[in-house]
Amino acid sequence: QKEVEQNSGPLSVPEGAIASLNCTYSDRGSQSFFWYRQYSGKSPELIMFIYSNGDKEDGRFTAQLNKASQYVSLLIRDSQPSDSATYLCAVGSNDMRFGAGTRLTVKP
Amino acid sequence: KAGVTQTPRYLIKTRGQQVTLSCSPISGHRSVSWYQQTPGQGLQFLFEYFSETQRNKGNFPGRFSGRQFSNSRSEMNVSTLELGDSALYLCASSPGSAGGRLDTQYFGPGTRLTVL
Repeated sequence: QKEVEQNSGPLSVPEGAIASLNCTYSDRGSQSFFWYRQYSGKSPELIMFIYSNGDKEDGRFTAQLNKASQYVSLLIRDSQPSDSATYLCAVGSNDMRFGAGTRLTVKP
Repeated sequence: KAGVTQTPRYLIKTRGQQVTLSCSPISGHRSVSWYQQTPGQGLQFLFEYFSETQRNKGNFPGRFSGRQFSNSRSEMNVSTLELGDSALYLCASSPGSAGGRLDTQYFGPGTRLTVL
């Protein structure tokens, strides 16, 4: 079983729709949860981090964490073509473990 | 503040050679982590350095090593290169702390290593 699992996609949504990205993790001791966005040929850039159960909103992005279910998600509202990228879920305990990423395509 | 810098950006080596990659973290950051990214395996953790000490290590062979200097700059070395070492090597810096929750990590642009 992989430590951090994400649907590889591709996930395709129309412009203006909500994109929902999901991630599960196996280490119950994990304390830090991050979402990174990676454009093709570029390095990952941080979108959001979340430490506590519940929702955290930042502009068009909302991260949701449920530690009991070992589940973290990222919602992107009003998706734009510029959001087309691979989204990486990262989970931190003693070190950082990344999921394989979900490729998102937002179609105009 | 300047971001994380990595040198060189691109490197071509042949099997059996060794290579050294360099990373300069964001000013004031004390923790540097290294990752290998390949299309097949994704982002894999190599090791983390904090205050010149290796704090965590991933599941990579001993050919992969690193070090950190007193100014927090870090180097990663790969000896006896293999074809499978071709990858994007990413360095990430974070403020770091002596323990507790893992900080947000900020990535450099990466070094693209090709082994022929």
